[in-house]
Formats: sequence, C-alpha cells, structure tokens
Amino acid sequence: DAKTTQPTSMDCAEGRAANLPCNHSTISGNEYVYWYRQIHSQGPQYIIHGLKNNETNEMASLIITEDRKSSTLILPHATLRDTAVYYCIVSQGWTGTASKLTFGTGTRLQVTL
Amino acid sequence: DTAVSQTPKYLVTQMGNDKSIKCEQNLGHDTMYWYKQDSKKFLKIMFSYNNKELIINETVPNRFSPKSPDKAHLNLHINSLELGDSAVYFCASSQGDWRSYNEQFFGPGTRLTVL
Repeated sequence: DAKTTQPTSMDCAEGRAANLPCNHSTISGNEYVYWYRQIHSQGPQYIIHGLKNNETNEMASLIITEDRKSSTLILPHATLRDTAVYYCIVSQGWTGTASKLTFGTGTRLQVTL
Repeated sequence: DTAVSQTPKYLVTQMGNDKSIKCEQNLGHDTMYWYKQDSKKFLKIMFSYNNKELIINETVPNRFSPKSPDKAHLNLHINSLELGDSAVYFCASSQGDWRSYNEQFFGPGTRLTVL
C-alpha cells in the first residue's frame, strides 16, 4: 500500500511554477521521498529524490519539511509537456539487492495556456 | 539509443493462449523489474531480478513466469491468458547498487489485450 497522500488533480498555467504537495506522515528514518511522473501512454520517468535536505536538479526542486512528514515538488516554469501524473513515493534507498517502488494514485497535473 | 526497450508494443490475443513479452536494457544495469498497470492506472510491481536472480515476487499467479537469460534481458511469459491479464506491462531497470537510489528507468510499455 502506498504510504503517501496526494491531491487527485491540479492545474497550472504555462510558465508558472507548479507546486505539487505530498503527505507522508508515517515515513521512517531510512526512507527516501521519490518523485516520478508518467506522461500519457509512456513509462514512468524518474524526477528527483531526497532524504531530508532540499534537492534541485535540472527538472525540478524537492522541498522536504523539517519533520519529513510532507514534501513539495516544484516545477519552476511549467510547460505543456509537463502535463502528466506525478507520483510521490516513499521507499528505502539501496537495500543490497533491489528496492521496491509502490506507486499510489498520484496527482494529475494539467498545464494550460 | 533506447535505454529500455520492450517488444511487442501491442499484443492482442485470445483467452487461454500463451504469450511472451521481451525486455532489454542497454544501460549496464544489474537489476530489472516488471510492473503491471491496470485499467484503473494502478502501477504495481510484479517481479525483480538482480544479476539474473529473482529477488522480488509480488504474489503474482504462477501463470506468469519471468526469465532472465542475462542481466540485460528480462522476459515475461504468461500461460493460459485470462481477461484480467489485460493491462499495460512495463519493464524497468536500475543500477542496483548504492548509487541507484531507486532511480528506475522504464520502458515504453506493452499493451496486452486479452479477448
């Protein structure tokens, strides 16, 4: 079972920042927060992950609250191509062999003109 | 260059048939996965292989048999197909070590329709 809660859908105007929230109140100390997205009819795509510090890469920023019970994925300048379902996933990192990603229902982000 | 490829992209077949889906990754990864995404869009892991060894098996019916001839390939064979097997099947791979941090690379999916 997914251990995260996300809004079902969100809208964002093109060029604006998209802020996607995620609650993970039962996260344990060795679990990371991962974000993936799935553009229509494609395979999921890794975006970013973090443990407790804020992270930024070329795609997005991840802000994790100090108590680690929630996080926000930020797409700084959303484009139409960012329209997708965004999944927030809590999982252990490297476990020695493989790690399991449990996908929830995600947030459907619609970027509009 | 396609990192994770699957064949076929579409598969339409009758109930009771046996079919296979192939997956190949050219990323040099050690770990490969099969996921199933049903009509309600829930994406669930089915299997994972690390260096050709099965390490995750998520209570999948034994009609589903993954086979890994080498660490770059993970094929999925399905016996006696049922209507409920209709779904999109995604293959994925990851580095499988401390560097990977669950960064999994997914293939484009195979849409299986059982009639």
